[in-house]
Amino acid sequence: EVHLVESGGGLVQPGGSLRLSCAASGFSFSTYSMNWVRQAPGKGLEWVSYISDSGITIYYADSAKGRFTISRDNAKNSLYLQMNSLRAEDTAVYYCVRAVGAISHFDSWGQGTLVSVSS
Amino acid sequence: EIVLTQSPGTLSLSPGERATLSCRASQSVSSSYLAWYQQKPGQAPRLLIYGTSSRATGIPDRFSGSGSGTDFTLTISRLEPEDFAVYYCQQYGSRGAFGPGTKVDIE
Repeated sequence: EVHLVESGGGLVQPGGSLRLSCAASGFSFSTYSMNWVRQAPGKGLEWVSYISDSGITIYYADSAKGRFTISRDNAKNSLYLQMNSLRAEDTAVYYCVRAVGAISHFDSWGQGTLVSVSS
Repeated sequence: EIVLTQSPGTLSLSPGERATLSCRASQSVSSSYLAWYQQKPGQAPRLLIYGTSSRATGIPDRFSGSGSGTDFTLTISRLEPEDFAVYYCQQYGSRGAFGPGTKVDIE
């Protein structure tokens, strides 16, 4: 069974940094593309970033570009999101999400980790 | 950038009724790249439909998807109590953009 477990969320001041992690199990992590998707309180889903299975291809939403960095460690079955220069509007639940391929639906989701940006 | 709109925003129905949810794209979307997700309060989204009409593993056949071009539909043939939730469409040809969602609640 696929398991995706996010960690690293919490309360941070505006301008601060946070690193999210996602521990994957139950599948061959190194053969799947991964994404981060977020959801602000009471709002809809927003795709944040994509990384290919090898880590070579990376995409960001405009809202994340220049501030967030996605990475992965296939030896550790782990996905990361380094978030810098955080703003109040980055407050959201962040989901680690598996994609079947480069252009593909999102077939497995973690339970999410809450990031709150406030002074 | 493709923008998705969903209608209605809220759909109030009773168990046993048929639900028809619409997703419209600002420009043509490949049918291969349209998905639907269900999200219940406090839970992560769950994949229902991909490639416009293919049901994900374990999804009951009362859920069906159709459409092409810019207009797509998710149909729930007979609502069960566990189907009352928020539904999102997504086109994953362009950075995985999601629609704003349709809430299906109990009338």
